[in-house]
Amino acid sequence: DQQVKQNSPSLSVQEGRISILNCDYTNSMFDYFLWYKKYPAEGPTFLISISSIKDKNEDGRFTVFLNKSAKHLSLHIVPSQPGDSAVYFCAARRGDSNYQLIWGAGTKLIIKP
Amino acid sequence: DAGITQSPRHKVTETGTPVTLRCHQTENHRYMYWYRQDPGHGLRLIHYSYGVKDTDKGEVSDGYSVSRSKTEDFLLTLESATSSQTSVYFCAIGDRESSYNEQFFGPGTRLTVL
Repeated sequence: DQQVKQNSPSLSVQEGRISILNCDYTNSMFDYFLWYKKYPAEGPTFLISISSIKDKNEDGRFTVFLNKSAKHLSLHIVPSQPGDSAVYFCAARRGDSNYQLIWGAGTKLIIKP
Repeated sequence: DAGITQSPRHKVTETGTPVTLRCHQTENHRYMYWYRQDPGHGLRLIHYSYGVKDTDKGEVSDGYSVSRSKTEDFLLTLESATSSQTSVYFCAIGDRESSYNEQFFGPGTRLTVL
């Protein structure tokens, strides 16, 4: 069963507008959530994280929101830039089991000029 | 960038042959991980290591073994490769002591099993 789900395989956004990527999870034992960005032929790179005791974390153009009651998190990118075109992975850390990361399937973000 | 290299970067092999992938780090991180990435599945943990000679299984460990004889090297072995093991393999390093288990990834190895 997929404990972390990214239901949108792809998303297309106009340059300069807001990009919103979504992630849902099922396990209440996740204590941290992380977003990674991946370009083709490269490994994923860390973008931003949020603790389960917070509801928002901001870093420059990137903001992550966490809604624990809905078991939902989202990554907002404002404004979107061409270099943001990549695959974005949501990952959740299991606080109860060796702190392993459980990953979503990824969303491919395409920024249109 | 974290100093992580993977070798080989690409490999084509035949069913039934043994394959070893190597991950090398220069960051002296305690934890090392092997993941596979497949369409529709994101990254799935195969095995991880929490120190020299200390390893444990991940969620998709069947058909894979690992070894870590030095802090800097983590080897992934497919004893008898199967077509279902065609995938992109990523090595990652990290320190669990970091507050959120941030991991740094290598460039990946694309393995094709014919």
